[in-house]
Amino acid sequence: DTAVSQTPKYLVTQMGNDKSIKCEQNLGHDTMYWYKQDSKKFLKIMFSYNNKELIINETVPNRFSPKSPDKAHLNLHINSLELGDSAVYFCASSQQMGDNEQFFGPGTRLTVL
Amino acid sequence: GNSVTQMEGPVTLSEEAFLTINCTYTATGYPSLFWYVQYPGEGLQLLLKATKADDKGSNKGFEATYRKETTSFHLEKGSVQVSDSAVYFCALILQGAQKLVFGQGTRLTINP
Repeated sequence: DTAVSQTPKYLVTQMGNDKSIKCEQNLGHDTMYWYKQDSKKFLKIMFSYNNKELIINETVPNRFSPKSPDKAHLNLHINSLELGDSAVYFCASSQQMGDNEQFFGPGTRLTVL
Repeated sequence: GNSVTQMEGPVTLSEEAFLTINCTYTATGYPSLFWYVQYPGEGLQLLLKATKADDKGSNKGFEATYRKETTSFHLEKGSVQVSDSAVYFCALILQGAQKLVFGQGTRLTINP
């Protein structure tokens, strides 16, 4: 049973397109996150949600819009994709805000051509 | 601000060698410290953690001790295996905060 799942695993698209990445967790956690990992493997948080409420928005361009329809899902929609958006995007969850352990999904590799 | 600095990679070792990956941190408060591992093509997995000074986290033969006096959390393993080849991330989280702050990652390759 997958704890944190993401779809799609790979996404290749043209500049200017709009795309979404979906994330689901079946751990019953209250808090979910999106991280971006660049080509040098550097990981940085983008957003966190707690019980469907936005908690962290880490100076991400407003072309990125997270949506949490319920606390088990946190989707990431990206408008007007740019070359610099190419990266691996990881979803994660934790039991509650400030909890020590975060559980990560397998990642979505986004390539913008 | 809060930050984590890891030793530059890549690190290449032979099987059964001793491993140390250095990690130091800067924090405005009192953090919990973590090592995460990312195997090829996979997401991150928690390897070990320590939540207070002098705590030692351990898992799968890896160990790290929370050293407040040197603000360090170095990862060690006495005898590495080929299957340990991965990228290792040191990270911290402040009490009451939600976001993990990661180091830049260290790629480890173990040759048979």
